[in-house]
Amino acid sequence: LAKTTQPISMDSYEGQEVNITCSHNNIATNDYITWYQQFPSQGPRFIIQGYKTKVTNEVASLFIPADRKSSTLSLPRVSLSDTAVYYCLVEANDYKLSFGAGTTVTVRA
Amino acid sequence: NAGVTQTPKFRVLKTGQSMTLLCAQDMNHEYMYWYRQDPGMGLRLIHYSVGEGTTAKGEVPDGYNVSRLKKQNFLLGLESAAPSQTSVYFCASSYSQGAFGYTFGSGTRLTVV
Repeated sequence: LAKTTQPISMDSYEGQEVNITCSHNNIATNDYITWYQQFPSQGPRFIIQGYKTKVTNEVASLFIPADRKSSTLSLPRVSLSDTAVYYCLVEANDYKLSFGAGTTVTVRA
Repeated sequence: NAGVTQTPKFRVLKTGQSMTLLCAQDMNHEYMYWYRQDPGMGLRLIHYSVGEGTTAKGEVPDGYNVSRLKKQNFLLGLESAAPSQTSVYFCASSYSQGAFGYTFGSGTRLTVV
């Protein structure tokens, strides 16, 4: 399993863009980068996945540089409801996912 | 469409008691998992199943047993509860390998006193 490193916490204000960078120096060729979001008292939910370059959906964008040793999850114009824990995972066809402590994002009014 | 349903949502046990946590999914997923979440430690895999009738140990299996007699159900058992098993338990399912497409339940908060 490729190890990931992400900040423990980040603070932001409503309307700002939040960028969370995840380091995965030992990523393998067939590893995908996946992000999950967890609200208090709920299970995690999938938000975005990518392999290289940029991926965008209605929730977030994921930026992956050419060397793939890091990735950045971008949350545009956050609101109070985006306060959650965000997990970065790097796995390749492995159903045994490992979640680290994640990044706690706190959005303030 | 219920997704993944966990019962019960809350439970308090005395040390040494036993209980079973039930996880049910209605998405016809092959893979099912049990995780526990403790403060500041993320989620840790307890046991998982890759299909009906199969089970396997995860990262922290000691003190737990599981069964997958039906494809849609995955049961987690505690034979003799200990205070160290106080945690929030999450069940998840997926239709394939890989990090994409996990669906989690809303969790069971278990306290062992």
